[in-house]
Amino acid sequence: DGGITQSPKYLFRKEGQNVTLSCEQNLNHDAMYWYRQDPGQGLRLIYYSQIVNDFQKGDIAEGYSVSREKKESFPLTVTSAQKNPTAFYLCASSSGGGSAPDTQYFGPGTRLTVL
Amino acid sequence: KNEVEQSPQNLTAQEGEFITINCSYSVGISALHWLQQHPGGGIVSLFMLSSGKKKHGRLIATINIQEKHSSLHITASHPRDSAVYICAVGGAGKSTFGDGTTLTVKP
Repeated sequence: DGGITQSPKYLFRKEGQNVTLSCEQNLNHDAMYWYRQDPGQGLRLIYYSQIVNDFQKGDIAEGYSVSREKKESFPLTVTSAQKNPTAFYLCASSSGGGSAPDTQYFGPGTRLTVL
Repeated sequence: KNEVEQSPQNLTAQEGEFITINCSYSVGISALHWLQQHPGGGIVSLFMLSSGKKKHGRLIATINIQEKHSSLHITASHPRDSAVYICAVGGAGKSTFGDGTTLTVKP
């Protein structure tokens, strides 16, 4: 089955620790995205990557870092510099490539709680 | 002011009712997406529209590019339609999302 997976579903960390959220897709998509969702608010873009070994900051990149060493993987690290990291994190992918918009496919999300 | 505004914020309906959720945007777009987020958090893409109207089962989405407005309609609503419906606009690579409309359909 093709799809996009995120792990773990729930994650708890102590304040001051870095944590890495996993995102893997086997859809052969070029583009991948990380979003943050807070209660009652819309999704906000953290980082996105349109091709391997390249990525761009989104609207709220401060305190986060990403890598895109493989087409199928786009891990997100929440660093200790992120002032309010407790949130629901969603990863998405799309076929990408070119100027036309395309449908994004979302993973199930990771709910991060920093204690 | 948000670039994407959805209304209503919350909507409660009885099973069988016709539902309309609205989305207005203030930026130029090449496409608009309607997404459905279930209580567990998973998001499913329902429609991508750049003009006119699309239908899938009991769901209908329309867009008026000149008026910068889209509507999502659900006919013969059912409790399993209860979810958050999200409108997103954008071009290649990046989308701007509305805050979502929480729909509850009661049996």
